[in-house]
Amino acid sequence: AQTVTQSQPEMSVQEAETVTLSCTYDTSESDYYLFWYKQPPSRQMILVIRQEAYKQQNATENRFSVNFQKAAKSFSLKISDSQLGDAAMYFCAYRSILTGNQFYFGTGTSLTVIP
Amino acid sequence: SQTIHQWPATLVQPVGSPLSLECTVEGTSNPNLYWYRQAAGRGLQLLFYSVGIGQISSEVPQNLSASRPQDRQFILSSKKLLLSDSGFYLCAWDLVSGTQYFGPGTRLLVL
Repeated sequence: AQTVTQSQPEMSVQEAETVTLSCTYDTSESDYYLFWYKQPPSRQMILVIRQEAYKQQNATENRFSVNFQKAAKSFSLKISDSQLGDAAMYFCAYRSILTGNQFYFGTGTSLTVIP
Repeated sequence: SQTIHQWPATLVQPVGSPLSLECTVEGTSNPNLYWYRQAAGRGLQLLFYSVGIGQISSEVPQNLSASRPQDRQFILSSKKLLLSDSGFYLCAWDLVSGTQYFGPGTRLLVL
């Protein structure tokens, strides 16, 4: 089974600064999706960004961008110009295209934004 | 646009009582549906998923069960709740496009 590892249980960043959250995964497949989800105190899971493995270009959504290193099986999330509303739990997730139905989630990184 | 609903939002139940949590999706057809549980400060544990009406796959053997009586309705049930069933329950849906979308969740406290 695929595994997703988030090695940083907690991170903090000063407001307006940049922070990078790490994620590595283990797979023998070549085609898959990777995701970052945000879970604020309300606990609803919100999609932040998605990356298709066949795309070499790193995905970007406003202040959020990823560094996708397929050979290294690494998928980090960079948050630029951090805002207080970015404080949340962040989960990295993997989904196989071939076997389809199951998502594999990391254990999460709790991000604190310091005013 | 698609929306996903869960209810109730919060539930406090005594040990040994039954459980029924409901999830419905609007604005899409034949979605894959999922039930996850999340303990406080922890990651997500996949409980059940369904690719169609009446088709349920169980990932974790336990005293919970799931049913899908309609295309866009997914129900999580228990005949007798345990203390260990307390947690935050999330329903999610997706299509073959790959992105999974989550409902607002149900907080369950078993006393």
